[in-house]
Amino acid sequence: GAVVSQHPSRVICKSGTSVKIECRSLDFQATTMFWYRQFPKQSLMLMATSNEGSKATYEQGVEKDKFLINHASLTLSTLTVTSAHPEDSSFYICSARTSGGAQNIQYFGAGTRLSVL
Amino acid sequence: AQKVTQAQTEISVVEKEDVTLDCVYETRDTTYYLFWYKQPPSGELVFLIRRNSFDEQNEISGRYSWNFQKSTSSFNFTITASQVVDSAVYFCALRNYGQNFVFGPGTRLSVLP
Repeated sequence: GAVVSQHPSRVICKSGTSVKIECRSLDFQATTMFWYRQFPKQSLMLMATSNEGSKATYEQGVEKDKFLINHASLTLSTLTVTSAHPEDSSFYICSARTSGGAQNIQYFGAGTRLSVL
Repeated sequence: AQKVTQAQTEISVVEKEDVTLDCVYETRDTTYYLFWYKQPPSGELVFLIRRNSFDEQNEISGRYSWNFQKSTSSFNFTITASQVVDSAVYFCALRNYGQNFVFGPGTRLSVLP
């Protein structure tokens, strides 16, 4: 079964509204979680890395004020797309990494398809 | 810098044909991991394999096989006797120790009945 739960799987919203996406690690504690964005027919691009209890690290070109990331616990990270616009429509995928060791494994959520009208 | 190249953007085969998806990577690190993921139309990434840089043994899992060659920095993926259900986008990815994934651009495989 899934070890990373992402919710919702699909969301449609009006331009100007904010949308929150949740990412939960189900059977393990994830000190580090990642958020990716995937535009149609393109690859996954890392948006940000979030560490529990600290500020997220954003990749170049990603607006931190627009994509708010909160990693308040070892099992939950949230991405909030603030004042969403049609160009924010995309597939958002979260990922959680197990803690410790060279063999730490990264699991991916099922993704959230955001459509902004 | 890390980079993953998947030169084949789209491939179409007829069911039961064998197909090989190419993956070439670049990294300066000696310790790294290579992955293949399948992304069906639903969007969920399905983990297929992880290989570390010290293990060059080829692997076979059912109809899937992987050929890892450090000398050419390649990690190719072959599907034998392809089936319609194999139709998806396949991503090759690289992760250096302690760092983030770098995904290739993906190869869209269409298996026709």
